[in-house]
Amino acid sequence: IAGITQAPTSQILAAGRRMTLRCTQDMRHNAMYWYRQDLGLGLRLIHYSNTAGTTGKGEVPDGYSVSRANTDDFPLTLASAVPSQTSVYFCASSDSDRGTDTGELFFGEGSRLTVL
Amino acid sequence: GQNIDQPTEMTATEGAIVQINCTYQTSGFNGLFWYQQHAGEAPTFLSYNVLDGLEEKGRFSSFLSRSKGYSYLLLKELQMKDSASYLCAAMDSNYQLIWGAGTKLIIKP
Repeated sequence: IAGITQAPTSQILAAGRRMTLRCTQDMRHNAMYWYRQDLGLGLRLIHYSNTAGTTGKGEVPDGYSVSRANTDDFPLTLASAVPSQTSVYFCASSDSDRGTDTGELFFGEGSRLTVL
Repeated sequence: GQNIDQPTEMTATEGAIVQINCTYQTSGFNGLFWYQQHAGEAPTFLSYNVLDGLEEKGRFSSFLSRSKGYSYLLLKELQMKDSASYLCAAMDSNYQLIWGAGTKLIIKP
């Protein structure tokens, strides 16, 4: 089934640990994104990639890093997790650069991360 | 600054009509999106407006007034499965999406 797959679905992590959230899409979309979603706030962009080999910072990039070695994969790494990074993380893709003009974002099912 | 405002929560009755409003302030404008998000699930695309007016898609319609910085999502013939959060997002001049916090819609029998 075409779409975006995220892993893990949920994770409890001790503060200071390193964590990588995985994201894979099979729609051959050029653009990919990582968002975090917190109660009472809109989705906030962490990092994005317009195409394989390029990445950019979003609204809340501090404490996170990404890589885009190929079209399909876009992992998000927390180098040293802190409690404020407790959130639901969504990976998304689109077939346009930096958001969509008439198209849409396709979201993964999310990764719920708790940092203690 | 850039900002999206939408009500936090609304309640409606099965079979009725509900209108969810959204106002936006962005640096430039390249369109207004509505997404639906069921609890614990991913957001899914509902509609996109870039020109003024009403776009109808089955039971759902979306309206845009660029001069007023205003949009609404209209849901007709409400069904229990329409209980979800509805996210409004405006695209600025840099094609960055600015998201509202979402409106939780509760449908009662």
